[in-house]
Amino acid sequence: AQKITQTQPGMFVQEKEAVTLDCTYDTSDPSYGLFWYKQPSSGEMIFLIYQGSYDQQNATEGRYSLNFQKARKSANLVISASQLGDSAMYFCAIEGFSGGYNKLIFGAGTRLAVHP
Amino acid sequence: DSGVTQTPKHLITATGQRVTLRCSPRSGDLSVYWYQQSLDQGLQFLIQYYNGEERAKGNILERFSAQQFPDLHSELNLSSLELGDSALYFCASSSHIQGGNSPLHFGNGTRLTVT
Repeated sequence: AQKITQTQPGMFVQEKEAVTLDCTYDTSDPSYGLFWYKQPSSGEMIFLIYQGSYDQQNATEGRYSLNFQKARKSANLVISASQLGDSAMYFCAIEGFSGGYNKLIFGAGTRLAVHP
Repeated sequence: DSGVTQTPKHLITATGQRVTLRCSPRSGDLSVYWYQQSLDQGLQFLIQYYNGEERAKGNILERFSAQQFPDLHSELNLSSLELGDSALYFCASSSHIQGGNSPLHFGNGTRLTVT
């Protein structure tokens, strides 16, 4: 079974600053994937970034990077140069690769507010 | 635009009624997933289909059922609706059944309100 913990219900950041959203996970699968999704107030779920458990390097996608620390079971999302449009809910999710299917288990989310 | 289409966008109905939510996956995606997002429960996995077959079940109530048709679109049926069923229901699709860096692509959701 997999579990995701996001301990920050809400975060504030000043525009143009960097922010780190925390995510810790628990899994018994030897191989797994970690995802981050953004949910703006309009409601859609937007895929941001992926990290595989065997990837040697931390994933990056534009202003998003994933700080993956396997031994600590953490997969924090770093957003550099925050923009007002980054204000949204952010969800961390884990996918186990055993069992023949790849459902995602989501954390409770962190609400990020970017201030001008 | 994720390429996943969900209809209707909004649904308002009364307790005890039955509704059907529809999802068309991205072109080429064989896997369809249903998630429920309510205020107090977060995003909960309900069920997954792959190429017409049920592959995984999550926290899906017996009052709920789903299927995936030969053209790969999927329907989620919710019956004997209760106030607590009010939520945002997401459909997502992916190209793989298992693993890899293939993310789930979500539709915009159907917001169900039970009065």
